[in-house]
Amino acid sequence: NAGVTQTPKFQVLKTGQSMTLQCAQDMNHEYMSWYRQDPGMGLRLIHYSVGAGITDQGEVPNGYNVSRSTTEDFPLRLLSAAPSQTSVYFCASSFRQGTEAFFGQGTRLTVV
Amino acid sequence: TQLLEQSPQFLSIQEGENLTVYCNSSSVFSSLQWYRQEPGEGPVLLVTVVTGGEVKKLKRLTFQFGDARKDSSLHITAAQPGDTGLYLCAGPRYGNKLVFGAGTILRVKS
Repeated sequence: NAGVTQTPKFQVLKTGQSMTLQCAQDMNHEYMSWYRQDPGMGLRLIHYSVGAGITDQGEVPNGYNVSRSTTEDFPLRLLSAAPSQTSVYFCASSFRQGTEAFFGQGTRLTVV
Repeated sequence: TQLLEQSPQFLSIQEGENLTVYCNSSSVFSSLQWYRQEPGEGPVLLVTVVTGGEVKKLKRLTFQFGDARKDSSLHITAAQPGDTGLYLCAGPRYGNKLVFGAGTILRVKS
């Protein structure tokens, strides 16, 4: 039972580069979300999706794009990486919005 | 300012000691969740409290939801090194999106 799978686990980018963080879940959850975790700030919501074809912005969406073409996959795209995007990124899924969140193992991203 | 304020930010104790961590807000929540996160891993749900005044026990961990549903606490009895981790509280707000506190880092020394 894989749960939520995120790749890659670690990534170093140069300022201005773009990349996609992958997230897949096998629990048939409708709700998926992306958070970033920074020291002393907890988890902040970047983008979320309540189902395939539906996405919306969270608390800190600038510089990130998402899409949800299938129930299983919810990739996060960094358009032009900036040092301020250095963080640990977590993908999560829930049966329903606001209920227990199942998290992936995270991606530690460094932008130099 | 975080919607959910957790205290203390950091706690370092000896094995066998008791401790309490707090999660406070000026807003009412329909429910609160507690997660534990170990280094290099994502948070994992420990418990959800739903009713004001509710107390839930999970082995040596006791969770309480305030009567007014604005605060919660986590009490650990006889802490063990395996309890070490980051403890996060979270609740649904703004259309049921989960908001998280900044967390309490617990270190239990043997």
